[in-house]
Amino acid sequence: DTAVSQTPKYLVTQMGNDKSIKCEQNLGHDTMYWYKQDSKKFLKIMFSYNNKELIINETVPNRFSPKSPDKAHLNLHINSLELGDSAVYFCASSQGPIEETQYFGPGTRLLVL
Amino acid sequence: QKEVEQNSGPLSVPEGAIASLNCTYSDRGSQSFFWYRQYSGKSPELIMSIYSNGDKEDGRFTAQLNKASQYVSLLIRDSQPSDSATYLCAVTLSGAGSYQLTFGKGTKLSVIP
Repeated sequence: DTAVSQTPKYLVTQMGNDKSIKCEQNLGHDTMYWYKQDSKKFLKIMFSYNNKELIINETVPNRFSPKSPDKAHLNLHINSLELGDSAVYFCASSQGPIEETQYFGPGTRLLVL
Repeated sequence: QKEVEQNSGPLSVPEGAIASLNCTYSDRGSQSFFWYRQYSGKSPELIMSIYSNGDKEDGRFTAQLNKASQYVSLLIRDSQPSDSATYLCAVTLSGAGSYQLTFGKGTKLSVIP
């Protein structure tokens, strides 16, 4: 039973397109996160939601918009994709916003051509 | 800019040896420290957490924390080829009711049979 799942696993698309990545967790956690891992393996937080409320919003282009329809789901929509958006995007969840153990999803490998 | 620094490696050790991974951080207010392991093409998984100065042991893994020197390390005893992975150091940056992990760029460990 997958704890944190993401779809799709792979995404290849053209510059300028709009795409979405979905994340679901079945751990009953209140807090979810989006991270970006670039080609140099640097893992950087983008957003965090607690109980559907945005609590962390790092400096990312406003082409990236997270949406949390309920506390088990956190989706990431990206408008007008650029070459530099190519990366692995990881979703993660934790019990709460000050609970330190984060569980990561398998990642979505995005390639923008 | 609060940073977490790691030597990117690769660090090569023979099977059975002790692997020593090091991490320094710039934020003196950091309270919690973590080591994640990431196999190639996989997501990060938490292997150790440490909150107070000194050593914490878990099986073959020992985390060491020195807050005065802003230094945290991970020792892997009796290294196995299955320990070959990238090890990510992560440190909390706490803020008003929220919790945030800052990751280092990771050290790639290679255990040679």
